Amino acid sequence: GENVEQHPSTLSVQEGDSAVIKCTYSDSASNYFPWYKQELGKRPQLIIDIRSNVGEKKDQRIAVTLNKTAKHFSLHITETQPEDSAVYFCAAAGGATNKLIFGTGTLLAVQP
Amino acid sequence: KAGVTQTPRYLIKTRGQQVTLSCSPISGHRSVSWYQQTPGQGLQFLFEYFSETQRNKGNFPGRFSGRQFSNSRSEMNVSTLELGDSALYLCASLPGSGANVLTFGAGSRLTVL
Repeated sequence: GENVEQHPSTLSVQEGDSAVIKCTYSDSASNYFPWYKQELGKRPQLIIDIRSNVGEKKDQRIAVTLNKTAKHFSLHITETQPEDSAVYFCAAAGGATNKLIFGTGTLLAVQP
Repeated sequence: KAGVTQTPRYLIKTRGQQVTLSCSPISGHRSVSWYQQTPGQGLQFLFEYFSETQRNKGNFPGRFSGRQFSNSRSEMNVSTLELGDSALYLCASLPGSGANVLTFGAGSRLTVL
C-alpha cells in the first residue's frame, strides 16, 4: 500500500548549522510532495512543496529536492535558528486525489 | 480571508458516546479533508469531500463518517467512541479538486474517557 518513510525521527543541531530530513515514498503515482512544520500545540503549516516535474525548489533558508527515480525527497534547512525547532512532516499525494500520506515526523531541536 | 475554522476546539466524551465535529473551510474553497493525529499513528487521512461528494476515504472503521454541505462546510461523526479515538482531528481546506495545497484548521482535540 501507500507508505512514506521519514528519517530521522529526532534531530538536534547547533544554531547556524544545517538540517536535513529525508523521506521515501512507495507509490510511483505520487506527484506532489509538501512539507509541513508543526510547532507544539499548533496546527501543521505548509512550509514548502514540490511537484514531480521539478527536481529542486528553494525558498530562502529552506530547500526541497526530489529524486523520482529513487522515490526520495529531502528537506534542507540552512543557517538554522531556534525558531526552526518543531516537528516536520513530509507527505506525498498522487493522481487526482488530494489524499496526503504523511511521514511519521521529525522532531528538530535547534540548540542556541 | 478567514482561515479554516473548526469547532469545538476541545471536548471530552466517554466510551460508547458519539461526537460530531465541524469544519468551515476558507471562503471559496470547495474541498475539505479530515485527518486524525495521534502520537502513535501520526497523521492519518480520514476522508475528503468535494462539492458535497466523498471523493476518497481512508482506512478507518465505519464508525467514522462525514458529510459536506452545499456551503462547503463539513462535519465528521464518530459513533460508539473508543479510548483509541482520542486524538486531534484536523480539517484541511483546498481551493478545489486536484489543487493539493492543504491549509489546516487548528483542530478539535477529542479525549475519550
